[in-house]
Amino acid sequence: EPEVTQTPSHQVTQMGQEVILRCVPISNHLYFYWYRQILGQKVEFLVSFYNNEISEKSEIFDDQFSVERPDGSNFTLKIRSTKLEDSAMYFCASSEVIAGGEQFFGPGTRLTVL
Amino acid sequence: GNSVTQMEGPVTLSEEAFLTINCTYTATGYPSLFWYVQYPGEGLQLLLKATKADDKGSNKGFEATYRKETTSFHLEKGSVQVSDSAVYFCALSDPGSGGYQKVTFGTGTKLQVIP
Repeated sequence: EPEVTQTPSHQVTQMGQEVILRCVPISNHLYFYWYRQILGQKVEFLVSFYNNEISEKSEIFDDQFSVERPDGSNFTLKIRSTKLEDSAMYFCASSEVIAGGEQFFGPGTRLTVL
Repeated sequence: GNSVTQMEGPVTLSEEAFLTINCTYTATGYPSLFWYVQYPGEGLQLLLKATKADDKGSNKGFEATYRKETTSFHLEKGSVQVSDSAVYFCALSDPGSGGYQKVTFGTGTKLQVIP
């Protein structure tokens, strides 16, 4: 069964460093998303991406964040200068259709900023 | 804005007990409703969904009915198993507020089933 994959499963970085989280969405999906979950808190929407551009982003997704689809299979989230409060689980998701459709989630990348 | 409220956990049940996890929502439009499950060390998996009022979503013995009048989508299972131990998230996707493209999650309820 097709699935969304994410690498790495755990990333440890120093405050101020750049990190890139990688995702491979399901191959025939057209819509891509990033969510994050700070430990013990809700899963929060960060950004959605369609047709090589951001279609919606939350207020969390500030200038420190960027997303890219560098090739036909990968979808990346970059954090330019990490802060302690960026420590969280980051989930990638993809979907075929947009309105009310099921989003398929990856296993997540746990980011720890020291 | 949209929000989802679900009962606090953890919930601890004996095997074969009846499960209810309450979920209520606030949305500006007419949302689709979901239950996602996260097993230890894994990602979020869609458990069931309902897209309109009075729809019942069901999967793996779990059920939830979309109740527009009470803005609720409670998760139930008649007889839980140890393998059902996981975190359960209630969620919505609401096109009416421009939120076609994002899912709003509840805080999650951890279920532990003991033999």
